Amino acid sequence: TQLLEQSPQFLSIQEGENLTVYCNSSSVFSSLQWYRQEPGEGPVLLVTVVTGGEVKKLKRLTFQFGDARKDSSLHITAAQTGDTGLYLCAGAERNAGNMLTFGGGTRLMVKP
Amino acid sequence: DTEVTQTPKHLVMGMTNKKSLKCEQHMGHRAMYWYKQKAKKPPELMFVYSYEKLSINESVPSRFSPECPNSSLLNLHLHALQPEDSALYLCASSQRDRSFYEQYFGPGTRLTVT
Repeated sequence: TQLLEQSPQFLSIQEGENLTVYCNSSSVFSSLQWYRQEPGEGPVLLVTVVTGGEVKKLKRLTFQFGDARKDSSLHITAAQTGDTGLYLCAGAERNAGNMLTFGGGTRLMVKP
Repeated sequence: DTEVTQTPKHLVMGMTNKKSLKCEQHMGHRAMYWYKQKAKKPPELMFVYSYEKLSINESVPSRFSPECPNSSLLNLHLHALQPEDSALYLCASSQRDRSFYEQYFGPGTRLTVT
C-alpha cells in the first residue's frame, strides 16, 4: 500500500504571509493532483503535475513535482482569507488503475 | 464543463430507512467513484466503476449497494445504516484511458443517520 504523508496537518497564518505544504512518499507516482476543499463541499481540483521537476503556477499558488516523482509541494504567496480550506494531495500510480492515494490533508486558516 | 452533480445535498435517515444517493456527470468519463469522508479526514474510497462495471469494492458493508445504470449516472443505495455511517459521501469521475487520472468531485451529500 502506498502512503502519502502531508505536512503540516494544520496551519494558521495571517493574511499576507507565505506558506508551503509538503507531500512526501517513498513510492513513485505517475501523477499527483492537488485539491482544495471547503467545509461541506467536495474537493476541487487545482492542478495535476505529471513530469518530474515540473513547476506549475496558478496565480499565487506554485506547485512543484519532485524530480523522482515521489514528492510535491504547494507554495502560496501572500495568502488571503479566501485561501482558507483543506488542501489535499493525491497520487496516482499507473499500475493502480484508477485509484488515488490521498495525503492526510493540510487544514489552512488565513486570518485577516 | 467539469461538473459532477450530486443529489440530495443533505439527507437525514433512520436506521430502518432505505434511501439512495445520486450522482451524474456529462463529461464522457468512463470511470466513476464513491468516497466516504469523515470530518477532518481525507476521502476514503468505497467503490469504483469502470465502463459501467464494478471494478473495485473496498470491503464496504453490504448495507451500501452501488449501481451504475449508464455511463453518466451512479447511484448508492442505502439500507439499515448505522449512526457511524454518518459522513459526507462524495462522487467523482475521471477519464479511463489516460496516462494520469484526474478525478473530478461532486459537492457531496451530507448524510446523517439517526
